[in-house]
Amino acid sequence: DTGVSQDPRHKITKRGQNVTFRCDPISEHNRLYWYRQTLGQGPEFLTYFQNEAQLEKSRLLSDRFSAERPKGSFSTLEIQRTEQGDSAMYLCASSRDTDGYTFGSGTRLTVV
Amino acid sequence: RKEVEQDPGPFNVPEGATVAFNCTYSNSASQSFFWYRQDCRKEPKLLMSVYSSGNEDGRFTAQLNRASQYISLLIRDSKLSDSATYLCVVNGNNYQLIWGAGTKLIIKP
Repeated sequence: DTGVSQDPRHKITKRGQNVTFRCDPISEHNRLYWYRQTLGQGPEFLTYFQNEAQLEKSRLLSDRFSAERPKGSFSTLEIQRTEQGDSAMYLCASSRDTDGYTFGSGTRLTVV
Repeated sequence: RKEVEQDPGPFNVPEGATVAFNCTYSNSASQSFFWYRQDCRKEPKLLMSVYSSGNEDGRFTAQLNRASQYISLLIRDSKLSDSATYLCVVNGNNYQLIWGAGTKLIIKP
C-alpha cells in the first residue's frame, strides 16, 4: 500500500491523558500536514512540515500539542493533558510541493 | 466572512440530473484550487484540481472565475454513488490550504 497511513484508526482516552498519533506519508512526498476535522466542518489546518522542518503552526495548536517529523519521513502528533474539546478526527496528508494532498484515513480521537 | 464559503446543502437531486455547486473565496492572491470528495466518516479524497482554463473529467467539470472569486463544480448524469460531501479548497498564505465546510449532495433513485 503506497498511500498515507495513520495509526491508530481510533483512540479513546480519559481526559488528562496523553496521546500520540503516527502518520506515514507517501514516500516521495516532501510535505506533510496535520489537520483536525469535527463533524460538519472542513479540515482545520494544524501544522505543516517540509521534509523535517516544521514551517507553519496554526494558532489552533495550543502548547499541549506538539508534532515532529524527525527524519523527514513519518510524523507524530502528541496531545498532552487531553480535554474533551480535543475529540475530533485527526487527519494527516502529504503532497509533493503544491500538488493536491493525499490524506490518510485519519485517527478518530474520543476524550471521555 | 469565512475565507472559503460553500452552501452546506443538502442538495437532494434525482439520479441522472445535473447539479452544480459554487464556492467563493476571499484571498484574491490564491493560485491553487481543488475539489475534494468526502464520504461519511472517511477521509477527503482529491476529486479534481481547478485550472484557470477549467477542467473536465468525465461527468465532472470544474471552473474558476477569478474576477468574482469563485469556483464551481458541475456533475452531469448524477449517480447514486455521487452522494457525498464536496469540499472546496483554496491555497492560503504560507503553504496552507483553506477548506470550505463542504456541500452535502444526496442523489435519490
